[in-house]
Amino acid sequence: AQKITQTQPGMFVQEKEAVTLDCTYDTSDPSYGLFWYKQPSSGEMIFLIYQGSYDQQNATEGRYSLNFQKARKSANLVISASQLGDSAMYFCAMGNSGGSNYKLTFGKGTLLTVNP
Amino acid sequence: NAGVTQTPKFRVLKTGQSMTLLCAQDMNHEYMYWYRQDPGMGLRLIHYSVGEGTTAKGEVPDGYNVSRLKKQNFLLGLESAAPSQTSVYFCASSSGGRGTDTQYFGPGTRLTVL
Repeated sequence: AQKITQTQPGMFVQEKEAVTLDCTYDTSDPSYGLFWYKQPSSGEMIFLIYQGSYDQQNATEGRYSLNFQKARKSANLVISASQLGDSAMYFCAMGNSGGSNYKLTFGKGTLLTVNP
Repeated sequence: NAGVTQTPKFRVLKTGQSMTLLCAQDMNHEYMYWYRQDPGMGLRLIHYSVGEGTTAKGEVPDGYNVSRLKKQNFLLGLESAAPSQTSVYFCASSSGGRGTDTQYFGPGTRLTVL
């Protein structure tokens, strides 16, 4: 069975500093995708970044980068130069390509607070 | 492009009442999903569709029905609402059904069942 673990219920960071949000996963499938979503207080789920299991390089999207360590089964999100608008809940999710695994498996999330 | 939209945004029901949540996407995606989000439990898949006219059960389908009569729309129905169905409901869509295909979410519907 697939599992996503986010061990940090809450994180604090000073504005303009970098922050790393942890995510570890467990799967026996060789092909999978790892995703990060942001959920601000307004409630919507915003897609941030994607990493495929066969991708050789770490994914980057603007200030977001994904530190993918396949052997350790970790997919940490790094946010550089934090902004007040980055305060939100962040979810790590995994999709698997085997069989009829259409769903994403989500972690429980990390609440990030950016302090001025 | 509006992406994925959901109506209504909020709804309060009494136990036993019925309602339908509407999801629409303008990205021409084949795959559509309904999730529910409960505190401390992340998102869980209720039902999904792999194309117009198809539906399938997810991990928590009991008490819900769905229909996909048009490619761009995916409806979630509650025939007899129960307090346990109080939750935030999200619709999502993706171009493909592989685990490596990104799912894009709507803004959510907050449902309270009294």
